Amino acid sequence: GAGVSQTPSNKVTEKGKYVELRCDPISGHTALYWYRQSLGQGPEFLIYFQGTGAADDSGLPNDRFFAVRPEGSVSTLKIQRTERGDSAVYLCASSLTLAGEQYFGPGTRLTVT
Amino acid sequence: DQQVKQNSPSLSVQEGRISILNCDYTNSMFDYFLWYKKYPAEGPTFLISISSIKDKNEDGRFTVFLNKSAKHLSLHIVPSQPGDSAVYFCAASASTQGGSEKLVFGKGMKLTVNP
Repeated sequence: GAGVSQTPSNKVTEKGKYVELRCDPISGHTALYWYRQSLGQGPEFLIYFQGTGAADDSGLPNDRFFAVRPEGSVSTLKIQRTERGDSAVYLCASSLTLAGEQYFGPGTRLTVT
Repeated sequence: DQQVKQNSPSLSVQEGRISILNCDYTNSMFDYFLWYKKYPAEGPTFLISISSIKDKNEDGRFTVFLNKSAKHLSLHIVPSQPGDSAVYFCAASASTQGGSEKLVFGKGMKLTVNP
């Protein structure tokens, strides 16, 4: 079956620009998570959705970062006024329930020049 | 401050031998622990997990041991195979509703299994 998909796989943008990263979770998975992985580090939690609502956004680094999941399926992570420090691999994961295993997508590699 | 620590960045073992990957944590609220494997250009893949009510969980060649008093867990792979070569992440969560919710990851450890 189809796993978690993320688009684009790579994104290069200039400092100050706006970017959107998309995540398609596994069908039927109610929970969706965004993580960010910088070079040499493990994934770092950003935000988590249960259904359409953001249940925990405590990992978002600042108000330039925002994520939505309007219909409880696809999610978009939005970054305004990008900075070079935002360069990382952005990972999305989904799980069937809160107690379920998290299945990760391949990630979007964001490079801010 | 790293709440989940994988202090060894790499490990190299011979095919057929045992691989032991270690992980330490500092947050006593963590009650669910997982190991993920990651190949280059792919997302992490779930390997095995353990709840804090257990001290051992086994799945085929993979066994995870949890020592709550020492805040330490380890992953044993036996026998190791060349296809096990990957980066392994230890992760933990403090469930508030009985679920895994947000995971806190270690920095990862690169395992190389030599034929």
